[in-house]
Amino acid sequence: DTGVSQNPRHKITKRGQNVTFRCDPISEHNRLYWYRQTLGQGPEFLTYFQNEAQLEKSRLLSDRFSAERPKGSFSTLEIQRTEQGDSAMYLCASSSGQYYGYTFGSGTRLTVV
Amino acid sequence: DAKTTQPTSMDCAEGRAANLPCNHSTISGNEYVYWYRQIHSQGPQYIIHGLKNNETNEMASLIITEDRKSSTLILPHATLRDTAVYYCIANNNAGNMLTFGGGTRLMVKP
Repeated sequence: DTGVSQNPRHKITKRGQNVTFRCDPISEHNRLYWYRQTLGQGPEFLTYFQNEAQLEKSRLLSDRFSAERPKGSFSTLEIQRTEQGDSAMYLCASSSGQYYGYTFGSGTRLTVV
Repeated sequence: DAKTTQPTSMDCAEGRAANLPCNHSTISGNEYVYWYRQIHSQGPQYIIHGLKNNETNEMASLIITEDRKSSTLILPHATLRDTAVYYCIANNNAGNMLTFGGGTRLMVKP
């Protein structure tokens, strides 16, 4: 068990470019979550998958954001036409059930310049 | 999720017990109390959770008052590596998100 892995760790992009992040959850975890965290704030929920199905999306997830989990294993989060306000840490977490704690990855820090 | 209130920051001497309080006066009967911590530049780490009874694991103890309106996370022998932001969350597990507040910034000092 190597924990939740996120790539890349850091991403700097120009405004207007598209970016994609990858999350590899713990292999036996069927639940996967994406959160966003800005400096000095707690993480904010973005979206949730159970297996390959995206079951919940936050209103924070504008139409420029899309997340997938094609085979119920790894997940990707894509941001199109990035804006400076998208600069944040993007965190992925997984869990094996609703009564268990989440295991978070170390996050991808996005800087939009 | 019920709203939780935590002090913004606390200090603790290394080797002493760190007692982190959390108020959740509007918690409903089916909501659990979860604690996570976040060390700088890392993702949050699950610590412990409980419903009514006190809980203990290798990391910490969780004391929940009888009326469930508040709880205390206890780190029995704080070390410098326990310096982190600690988040208290009330969650009914029926939803699929955790609502993080601002947390308590714990500074363990030598």
